[in-house]
Amino acid sequence: AAGVIQSPRHLIKEKRETATLKCYPIPRHDTVYWYQQGPGQDPQFLISFYEKMQSDKGSIPDRFSAQQFSDYHSELNMSSLELGDSALYFCASSPDRGNTEAFFGQGTRLTVV
Amino acid sequence: EDQVTQSPEALRLQEGESSSLNCSYTVSGLRGLFWYRQDPGKGPEFLFTLYSAGEEKEKERLKATLTKKESFLHITAPKPEDSATYLCAVQAGNTDKLIFGTGTRLQVFP
Repeated sequence: AAGVIQSPRHLIKEKRETATLKCYPIPRHDTVYWYQQGPGQDPQFLISFYEKMQSDKGSIPDRFSAQQFSDYHSELNMSSLELGDSALYFCASSPDRGNTEAFFGQGTRLTVV
Repeated sequence: EDQVTQSPEALRLQEGESSSLNCSYTVSGLRGLFWYRQDPGKGPEFLFTLYSAGEEKEKERLKATLTKKESFLHITAPKPEDSATYLCAVQAGNTDKLIFGTGTRLQVFP
């Protein structure tokens, strides 16, 4: 069965650089979520999209932005990177906005040096 | 403030030694409680969704139950391949986000 695809899997950037993370949800899933997981931490919600519109926002820094495109894939753009942005970034998708299960991708490991 | 607490933080079991993981929650308007399994460096893998108190779900050696205050993940006769971090999360109110607990790190030894 198709899963959530994230790219790249690993990314190394220097401080103050910009990074773009991509997410391709499971086909026919119209809701996409982004989470950040620091070392030894639980995933923290960043932002979500439903039918290409932002539907909810969590603890996402102003330096970060995201959008969902017409083909339902989503991109998380991160600017002015800081050392503290080093983390695993997960994308998840679900069939709708209701209380249904979200399926996670394998994540992008971002290292800021 | 919505909160999810998992216990214990870590659990070491002998193969075949059954046990339970706890997830206590304090939320306004629970819409669903989710259990995930996470292996190191990988994305959370969906296990169960529970919606109302009294509900139970089973999958192989795992069984999840839900009350109005907590959920349990029972592991029967675990095997070494069950070793992972088990995350509990809730969805509440009118938000999309999942609020995660800090997880229980399970190690099963042969």
